[in-house]
Amino acid sequence: GAGVSQSPRYKVAKRGQDVALRCDPISGHVSLFWYQQALGQGPEFLTYFQNEAQLDKSGLPSDRFFAERPEGSVSTLKIQRTQQEDSAVYLCASSQEGSRTTDTQYFGPGTRLTVL
Amino acid sequence: AQSVAQPEDQVNVAEGNPLTVKCTYSVSGNPYLFWYVQYPNRGLQFLLKYITGDNLVKGSYGFEAEFNKSQTSFHLKKPSALVSDSALYFCAAFYQKVTFGTGTKLQVIP
Repeated sequence: GAGVSQSPRYKVAKRGQDVALRCDPISGHVSLFWYQQALGQGPEFLTYFQNEAQLDKSGLPSDRFFAERPEGSVSTLKIQRTQQEDSAVYLCASSQEGSRTTDTQYFGPGTRLTVL
Repeated sequence: AQSVAQPEDQVNVAEGNPLTVKCTYSVSGNPYLFWYVQYPNRGLQFLLKYITGDNLVKGSYGFEAEFNKSQTSFHLKKPSALVSDSALYFCAAFYQKVTFGTGTKLQVIP
């Protein structure tokens, strides 16, 4: 497809379960970003990849959160031992070049995670 | 600390009237500023950005924004609002980190 896709669109997990969220960026885009958007809030930065290199993971809230992009394309955000406070929409974005400041980011539709 | 403020949770405007959605920022350098729009159950869509140059930036769907360095503002404007403009609007500053505002819900009344 032409845009950023994310799967699943909705995920319900019991507290303590592990989840994996997938992001397919626009083909050829160098940079990939993950954000967490809580209800009624703006997106909060989680982590940033340039190709397969994770250049910034300062926004990951705990060591239960892990992201990878092994071949510089598809990325997976994994959350271990989910907690209720992890409930949010997780947004993925990609940009064409390697600048994290000037390049336009194109967002996917998000994955809504609900932890019961 | 870097921050972006959108002081209005909601803006109501009559169809055909001009609209303004406000954004101010606090960044210790020269930021790059963006506006995104979010429709229900959809991701953020890019509207426009200021990187450098002309302070008035024109974007998608007839929107424009003016960068004002002295007032540290980047307000979003449109001369004539459409009902279809009703959505959630986010301002963002990209500097050493990415910071989004909390969003402003725009309601255009027919």
